[in-house]
Amino acid sequence: SAVISQKPSRDICQRGTSLTIQCQVDSQVTMMFWYRQQPGQSLTLIATANQGSEATYESGFVIDKFPISRPNLTFSTLTVSNMSPEDSSIYLCSAKSGTEAFFGQGTRLTVV
Amino acid sequence: AQSVTQLDSHVSVSEGTPVLLRCNYSSSYSPSLFWYVQHPNKGLQLLLKYTSAATLVKGINGFEAEFKKSETSFHLTKPSAHMSDAAEYFCVVSEPPPSNTGKLIFGQGTTLQVKP
Repeated sequence: SAVISQKPSRDICQRGTSLTIQCQVDSQVTMMFWYRQQPGQSLTLIATANQGSEATYESGFVIDKFPISRPNLTFSTLTVSNMSPEDSSIYLCSAKSGTEAFFGQGTRLTVV
Repeated sequence: AQSVTQLDSHVSVSEGTPVLLRCNYSSSYSPSLFWYVQHPNKGLQLLLKYTSAATLVKGINGFEAEFKKSETSFHLTKPSAHMSDAAEYFCVVSEPPPSNTGKLIFGQGTTLQVKP
């Protein structure tokens, strides 16, 4: 199993600013992912965080808006850049260990 | 392409009565399927998973699901609902081989309400 710590747990940010979310896994994992959950909706994959190389983004998400780092096998960050109210969501980090995916508690972001 | 459809956005049951949350999937391959639960202001927790072993899968908290290939379904059931079962439930399919990227595709979710 894997335990994922995500911070901050919540934040209220001004539009036009950026927020970096950190994700720490208690064991080495090969795959880490970032998801977005908009209010009242399901989870949508933003990108796969690749260790040592650029993240792989899903359709509709771009690196300039959601830059991702993954310096090692236990840590990743997601930055939400130049925020607007439409970015208000829960952002979740996920790690795959074996056949199971584990999730952080999420970061609840409100942009005002 | 892989997809899942949760047939009910909201299900309401009385405490002690059975729970049925419906999920249909679409897949070109034999899929890996999961049910996750999300309690308010909490993270996602895996209830159970199907990965081509037994078609009847037992999970935590008394939940189980049956994989029916002929019906492309993976419905979640529980014989007797408890108040603590009130939450959001997601049916999930993972990307198949050969890509094996580990990406998960989520259904739209079903809100389970349990009435006293």
